[in-house]
Order: sequence, then structure tokens, then C-alpha cells
Amino acid sequence: AQTVTQSQPEMSVQEAETVTLSCTYDTSESDYYLFWYKQPPSRQMILVIRQEAYKQQNATENRFSVNFQKAAKSFSLKISDSQLGDAAMYFCAYRRYETSGSRLTFGEGTQLTVNP
Amino acid sequence: DGGITQSPKYLFRKEGQNVTLSCEQNLNHDAMYWYRQDPGQGLRLIYYSQIVNDFQKGDIAEGYSVSREKKESFPLTVTSAQKNPTAFYLCASRKGLAGVYEQYFGPGTRLTVT
Repeated sequence: AQTVTQSQPEMSVQEAETVTLSCTYDTSESDYYLFWYKQPPSRQMILVIRQEAYKQQNATENRFSVNFQKAAKSFSLKISDSQLGDAAMYFCAYRRYETSGSRLTFGEGTQLTVNP
Repeated sequence: DGGITQSPKYLFRKEGQNVTLSCEQNLNHDAMYWYRQDPGQGLRLIYYSQIVNDFQKGDIAEGYSVSREKKESFPLTVTSAQKNPTAFYLCASRKGLAGVYEQYFGPGTRLTVT
């Protein structure tokens, strides 16, 4: 079974600075997808960024980027120029490539605090 | 506007009663999911459905039941057999069964059983 581990329960960053959230996963598959979701205090889950394992290029979405290291099974999220609105719980998630059972496996989350 | 609705936002029940949580989507998505979230924990999958009239157990299905009679609806019943039902419940849906499509989430229902 696939597992996703987020080793940082809490992180903090000063406004306008950069922070990196860690995620590792365990899988025997070669094709899969990885996601970062954000859950602000409203508890609405919002997709931040996604990565297809067959793509070597790291995904970027504005101030958010990932460092995808397939061999190391690592998928970290970098938030640049942090803003107060980035404060949230961040979840890393894994999904297999196959069509059947397209379910997500989530990590336990990292609570990010942004200090003004 | 397209999206996923869950109602009500807060739900209170007495121990021993069954309760049904509503989840409706107008995104024409094929797959739908139910997750449970407890404080300090990630999301755990309860049930999911990829097509109408078919569903599969997730990791923590005991004490829960679902139905998928219509593509847009996937209600979750928390039965009296669920030993610790107080939690935050999230419904999600996804377009198609393959590809990099992400899951879209509803706003959630906070269930409190006393």
C-alpha cells in the first residue's frame, strides 16, 4: 500500500520570505500523480499544484513550485514571497496512474503559520 | 456556478441514531468520494464511487454506508455502529477515471454525536 509522510507537523515563515514543506511517499509504481492541497481555516480543500511522475520538469504555479525527486520519492513544496493568506494546513497526496480505484492517499498535513 | 454542495454545515445527533450527510455535485463528474478528517490527522477515505450504482470501500468503511443512485448525488449514512462518529466529513468528486484531473472538494459537514 502506498503511504505519504509529512514529517513537519508545523512550520512558520515571515511574510515575504520563502518556505519549503517536505513530503515523502512510498510506492512500487513507476507512473503516478502527486498533489499539494491547501486547507485554510474555512476548511475548504483547494488544489495548489500537481505533478505527473513521468514529467521530469518540476511543476510551478505562480509563487508555488515543487522539487520532485523521483528516485528519492520526495515531493517538496516551495512557497515564495509568502503572504498572510498562505496560512493554512497543507496536505501532500498521491494517486496511482491506473484507471481503477483512482483514490488519493493523503499525508497527515503541515500547519503553516505566516508571521507579519 | 458549478460545484459541490454539502449540507448542513453543522449536524448534531444523539448517540444511537443513524444520520445521513448530503453531497451533491453539478460538475458532471464521474467519481465521488467521502473522507473523514479528525483533528491533527489527514483525510481518510471512507467510500468512493466511480459510476452510478457501484461503490467501493475505502480504508475506514466500518459503520458507514453509501448509495449512488444518481450521478450527481452520493449520500453518506453514519450508522449507530460507527464507534466514534464525531468528525469533519468531506465529499469530493473527480472528472473521469484516468488522467491527472484533481479531486474537487465540498465545504464539509461537521458532525457532532453526543
